[in-house]
Amino acid sequence: AQTVTQSQPEMSVQEAETVTLSCTYDTSENNYYLFWYKQPPSRQMILVIRQEAYKQQNATENRFSVNFQKAAKSFSLKISDSQLGDTAMYFCAFMKPIMWGAQKLVFGQGTRLTINP
Amino acid sequence: EAQVTQNPRYLITVTGKKLTVTCSQNMNHEYMSWYRQDPGLGLRQIYYSMNVEVTDKGDVPEGYKVSRKEKRNFPLILESPSPNQTSLYFCASSRREGVYEQYFGPGTRLTVT
Repeated sequence: AQTVTQSQPEMSVQEAETVTLSCTYDTSENNYYLFWYKQPPSRQMILVIRQEAYKQQNATENRFSVNFQKAAKSFSLKISDSQLGDTAMYFCAFMKPIMWGAQKLVFGQGTRLTINP
Repeated sequence: EAQVTQNPRYLITVTGKKLTVTCSQNMNHEYMSWYRQDPGLGLRQIYYSMNVEVTDKGDVPEGYKVSRKEKRNFPLILESPSPNQTSLYFCASSRREGVYEQYFGPGTRLTVT
């Protein structure tokens, strides 16, 4: 069974700083997807970034980028020029497509990120 | 607007009183799923459905039931709720193929006393 581990329960940085959130996962699969979701105080789950395992190039979305190390099974999220609105819980998630269209997201425990003014 | 809706958003109930949390999506997605979120555990999958009349257990299905009679709706049923089912519940939907992005509902905070 796949597992996802986020080893940093909480992090705190100053506004405009760069912060990196760690995520490791365990799988024997070769084809899978990795995600970072943001959950602000509103509780809404918001997709931040997605990485396909077969792609070697790291995904980027504006200030958000990932460092995907497939051999090390590591998938960290870097937030550049952090903003107060980035304050949220961040979840790393692993997804393996299963036959007949079934999908299963396996989530990490979450990292609570606080951006201080 | 493409969205997943859940009702109710908040619910306080007593042990043993049957309840249903509704979930509806307007994106014609084949795949729908229920998760529960607990502190320190992240989100865990309860049940999922690949299409109408096709459902299967996730990682924590005990104490829950689901049905998928229409493509857009995927209700979660707690026939005899217990305090250990106090949690934050999310419904999600996605296309069966392609991008694999799951769209989440706003969440339902359930308290069982």
